[in-house]
Amino acid sequence: AQKVTQAQTEISVVEKEDVTLDCVYETRDTTYYLFWYKQPPSGELVFLIRRNSFDEQNEISGRYSWNFQKSTSSFNFTITASQVVDSAVYFCALSGKYGNKLVFGAGTILRVKS
Amino acid sequence: DAGVIQSPRHEVTEMGQEVTLRCKPISGHDYLFWYRQTMMRGLELLIYFNNNVPIDDSGMPEDRFSAKMPNASFSTLKIQPSEPRDSAVYFCASSRGRWDNQPQHFGDGTRLSIL
Repeated sequence: AQKVTQAQTEISVVEKEDVTLDCVYETRDTTYYLFWYKQPPSGELVFLIRRNSFDEQNEISGRYSWNFQKSTSSFNFTITASQVVDSAVYFCALSGKYGNKLVFGAGTILRVKS
Repeated sequence: DAGVIQSPRHEVTEMGQEVTLRCKPISGHDYLFWYRQTMMRGLELLIYFNNNVPIDDSGMPEDRFSAKMPNASFSTLKIQPSEPRDSAVYFCASSRGRWDNQPQHFGDGTRLSIL
């Protein structure tokens, strides 16, 4: 069975601080895909990144970066110099090789205070 | 390009009434997913379609729930009869392709309240 664990229920930081959101996954598949989604207070789900299991390169997109480590089954998300607009719920998700069926973590609430 | 379009955005109805949620996927996407989000259970996949055919409905909670996809550009999720515990946000999502798991793109959701 596939499982995603986001142990941090809620994180509060002050603007301009760096923050890392943890994601640990479980799967028996050798080919799988990992995703991060953002859910701002307005409620929609916004796709941030997709990573396949064969690509362990870290990725940086502006203030966002992702660290994928198969050895620890982790796919962590770091926001550098956080801003109030980053306040949202962030979900990590996992899918197997076939069918695009996503399993979501419980989400981490990020609060960035000015 | 237009994203996934869901209607209505909000629905308030009384217990026992029939509820129909609607979804228009992104053009060209061949997968369509229905999710439910609650505080207690988080985001749950209810059912998904590939090329308009239901593939996995194991997440549908009860026979009161049904979903259809009569064509590539429209899907419905129906609850009949509705109960207060069905109150949740229902999301529709679509994606393209199968072999490389393209990301799912979500609609804005329907916030359903059953009184």
